[in-house]
Amino acid sequence: DVKVTQSSRYLVKRTGEKVFLECVQDMDHENMFWYRQDPGLGLRLIYFSYDVKMKEKGDIPEGYSVSREKKERFSLILESASTNQTSMYLCASSFSRRGKETQYFGPGTRLLVL
Amino acid sequence: DQQVKQNSPSLSVQEGRISILNCDYTNSMFDYFLWYKKYPAEGPTFLISISSIKDKNEDGRFTVFLNKSAKHLSLHIVPSQPGDSAVYFCAARLTTSGTYKYIFGTGTRLKVLA
Repeated sequence: DVKVTQSSRYLVKRTGEKVFLECVQDMDHENMFWYRQDPGLGLRLIYFSYDVKMKEKGDIPEGYSVSREKKERFSLILESASTNQTSMYLCASSFSRRGKETQYFGPGTRLLVL
Repeated sequence: DQQVKQNSPSLSVQEGRISILNCDYTNSMFDYFLWYKKYPAEGPTFLISISSIKDKNEDGRFTVFLNKSAKHLSLHIVPSQPGDSAVYFCAARLTTSGTYKYIFGTGTRLKVLA
């Protein structure tokens, strides 16, 4: 069974704090993704990575950075948290292969920035 | 600009009847389409996918139809069960220079009434 885990289910942080969200997958997937989910907006891609030390900006990268030092781990960093970054954050991973396509998601981290 | 649209935010269906969830897209370069189901406080789980070269894919109670000329896909669930009550997201994959990116719709909340 593919497993994608996220370090916290719930987080409460203060404005201006630096926040780290960790994601680990155990299926040797090349691709990893960070999304945020907000009501009425669906899932929006923040950053993704297709290999170790590689990263690509998604649709809403402002205010975020990422780190992929090891294949199984993809970290999302909020350099200086703001209230508009209160959201559900979802990590996902996938293969880079033709044929059947899917993405596996972690359980999500609900972040509240006060 | 929303490239993947789910115009119905919610849908109610009687148990045993067919549920039809719709999704429209604008980018003809999408090469794969996926449907996910999401329960509250959990990450999305993959349901079914379809390649852009096909027009139908079936898996048990779930069938996805793709109409490329109309840039429209739909998910049929038959028969619908109360456990199908969840938010359903459609997603489209864009492949650029060997990397994959997924664009999600805003979701449709399905309620199956017993």
